[in-house]
Order: sequence, then C-alpha cells, then structure tokens
Amino acid sequence: SQKIEQNSEALNIQEGKTATLTCNYTNYSPAYLQWYRQDPGRGPVFLLLIRENEKEKRKERLKVTFDTTLKQSLFHITASQPADSATYLCALTPDSSYKLIFGSGTRLLVRP
Amino acid sequence: GAVVSQHPSRVICKSGTSVKIECRSLDFQATTMFWYRQFPKKSLMLMATSNEGSKATYEQGVEKDKFLINHASLTLSTLTVTSAHPEDSSFYICSAQPRGVFGQPQHFGDGTRLSIL
Repeated sequence: SQKIEQNSEALNIQEGKTATLTCNYTNYSPAYLQWYRQDPGRGPVFLLLIRENEKEKRKERLKVTFDTTLKQSLFHITASQPADSATYLCALTPDSSYKLIFGSGTRLLVRP
Repeated sequence: GAVVSQHPSRVICKSGTSVKIECRSLDFQATTMFWYRQFPKKSLMLMATSNEGSKATYEQGVEKDKFLINHASLTLSTLTVTSAHPEDSSFYICSAQPRGVFGQPQHFGDGTRLSIL
C-alpha cells in the first residue's frame, strides 16, 4: 500500500541545535516533494519544494534533501530558535495532477 | 503575495444546518483549489479537488452529496456541508494552486473550525 510517514513523536531540542526531521514514503514515485509548517489552529505555510532530480535545496536556515533511492526526504533547521516550534508536514505529488498527499507531521519543540 | 483567504474562521451551529465555507485567492488566479479536512493532531486529508468551471473530483470515501463544491471563478471556491451532523465537526482547510507551471506549491487558507451541536 502507499504510505508517507513522518515520526509521530515530538522532537524536543535545545535552542541553537540543528533539528532534523524525516519523511519516508512507500509505493510512490513523486516528481517533487514539499515541506510545510503548521501552527496550531492555522493553515500550513509553504517552506521548501524539492524536485526528483535535485539532491538538496536550501533557504536561509532550512535545508531539504531528497533521496529517491531510499525514498526519503530529510528536513533540517540549523541554529534552531523557540520560534521554530511548530508541526512540520511533508507532502508529495503522487501523479501528474496537482494534488498533494500529506504525512502525519512531526511536532518540533525548541527549548530556550 | 499568494494569499488565500478562508471564511468564516469558526462556525458553531445546530445539527441539520447547512454551512458554506468560502475560499478566495486574493492576488492570483487558481484554476485548481483543494479542500482538506483535519482531525486533532492528525494530518490533512484531501477531500476533493475543485476545478474552475467543471465538477469537483472527490477522493474515495467522501460523499459528494454531503460536501458540495462549487468553483465559479478563478479566485473563488466554496464548500457547503449539507445537513451537518456532529460527526462533521472538524477543521476544514482550503488551498489554491496558482495557474500555470506544474510543480508550484499550494497556498493555504487559515482553516474553518466547524462545530455541530
């Protein structure tokens, strides 16, 4: 069956450290993968998009990798801050349509 | 740029009422909009794809007569929950896909918290 999985346990780290979140998928061949941030009671906010022919993408303190062999994407936040505390969702496009399938999200808590 | 406005943000109503939720792309055109449902501490579940000028495409298990979708223009899609019951209580979120190149991110509204008494 098709699955997109993120670590359901919250990630709790100290301010200043690097947070690494994992997204694994099964039985999909996505053309691209996206990461979103969601705060409680709000809609998701787009962070980064990485295509299947890209290994890595960066934006300020954020970095995403995409390994189509391992069927995995890693999302890194360097020099983390308490304001980075939120739920982070990965999402992929399963076919040639525009629709997105989301993982369950990982909650990140950055302690001051 | 790329702002999506969703209205209302919160609705509380009696069982049997029909509720309409609007999703507008404010500064771009969207031929495709999406409607999601999210339960507490769960991820977004795609309910349907809304295409401007044509019928919506519903995901498996979503009742199209229960969740009516209309996408009358390139900037507006509406979701009507008909004869709502307590089990329809949830957080509903819309998103809009900018018109044009494949591989662009979706832009999300801030959701509607629906509570049916």
